[in-house]
Amino acid sequence: NAGVTQTPKFRVLKTGQSMTLLCAQDMNHEYMYWYRQDPGMGLRLIHYSVGEGTTAKGEVPDGYNVSRLKKQNFLLGLESAAPSQTSVYFCASSSIEAGIVDEQFFGPGTRLTVL
Amino acid sequence: GQNIDQPTEMTATEGAIVQINCTYQTSGFNGLFWYQQHAGEAPTFLSYNVLDGLEEKGRFSSFLSRSKGYSYLLLKELQMKDSASYLCAVRATSGTYKYIFGTGTRLKVLA
Repeated sequence: NAGVTQTPKFRVLKTGQSMTLLCAQDMNHEYMYWYRQDPGMGLRLIHYSVGEGTTAKGEVPDGYNVSRLKKQNFLLGLESAAPSQTSVYFCASSSIEAGIVDEQFFGPGTRLTVL
Repeated sequence: GQNIDQPTEMTATEGAIVQINCTYQTSGFNGLFWYQQHAGEAPTFLSYNVLDGLEEKGRFSSFLSRSKGYSYLLLKELQMKDSASYLCAVRATSGTYKYIFGTGTRLKVLA
């Protein structure tokens, strides 16, 4: 099992450019999340999904859009990148199985720099 | 508001015991998680508490007091590889799957 994978691992964008970050999980998890991690700020939830075809806003959703067309994939889009979106982005997934601790499994992260 | 507080940095010696505290104020409570994150890597799950008391897992233990909004992670027999950040996260409300993370405690283990 690969667990949670993220593509790409690194990216440099210019202000105003767009890009999509891809997250894939092979654990058949219902729940998927996108976080950003900035120095001194901890992990902040951008958007999350509780199942295929559904998404919801987290703590810092502005400037981002997401889609969950397939259960195993969760895409994060930046339509017009800004320097404030320079960050490390982590995707995570978790199970909703009864009696199981719903720990989150994290991908390796995408390091994004916006110039 | 929702708030989770952890010390920013701690230093300890190899072989020692260290306790990392976490206090939280959230709208509702449905579980507290501890994650370990090595520099440049993803967080990995360490422990989970939903009821008051101590959960032990090898060299790691985690304690929860819901009435005090307080948890700690206890690491025994410290090893150099335990140098990492330790993140406290609260699942704030039952039925939702949003987690609030603290800013993390960076632990340095010295030889």
